[in-house]
Amino acid sequence: EPEVTQTPSHQVTQMGQEVILRCVPISNHLYFYWYRQILGQKVEFLVSFYNNEISEKSEIFDDQFSVERPDGSNFTLKIRSTKLEDSAMYFCASSERAGWGDTQYFGPGTRLTVL
Amino acid sequence: LAKTTQPISMDSYEGQEVNITCSHNNIATNDYITWYQQFPSQGPRFIIQGYKTKVTNEVASLFIPADRKSSTLSLPRVSLSDTAVYYCLVGPFREDSGGSNYKLTFGKGTLLTVNP
Repeated sequence: EPEVTQTPSHQVTQMGQEVILRCVPISNHLYFYWYRQILGQKVEFLVSFYNNEISEKSEIFDDQFSVERPDGSNFTLKIRSTKLEDSAMYFCASSERAGWGDTQYFGPGTRLTVL
Repeated sequence: LAKTTQPISMDSYEGQEVNITCSHNNIATNDYITWYQQFPSQGPRFIIQGYKTKVTNEVASLFIPADRKSSTLSLPRVSLSDTAVYYCLVGPFREDSGGSNYKLTFGKGTLLTVNP
């Protein structure tokens, strides 16, 4: 079964540093998402992306965050200057279609630890 | 999106059938009910989706009464590996609108612990 992959599985960084989290969505999917989950809390939506543009972003997704699809297979989330509170699991997801009911396939996540 | 309410946690034993009920009193006519499962340190995974009556797949069954104000996820003969958080989500099922992705809004879910 096709799956979403994410690298690295764990990233440790110093506060103020830039990090790039990478995702390879399922190949025929056109809609991409980033979510995050702080330890012990809910899964929170960050941003959705289609046709090389952000479709929607949450309040969490401020100017420190950016997303990019640099080529035909990768989808990246960049945090320019990490803060302690950015420590969380970051999940990439993709879907074939954009409807709410269309299944979103999640990757295994990247655990980001900001020291 | 309709607000959902589900138990914070449930305990079960291997081999038992587990039913997790979700309340969604304000469900709209065009809303569907979707359940996701999340294992520790993994991303959520789609389990099942339905609109009314009963839906069954290889993993679970979903029972939705006629008034659709609640739904019950049924897991037959659970094993230790079914220990996970189960999320009930309610939202409108819409056709591809050419770019308006629909985000998923997760609640706290139900932590199901299956004991030996």
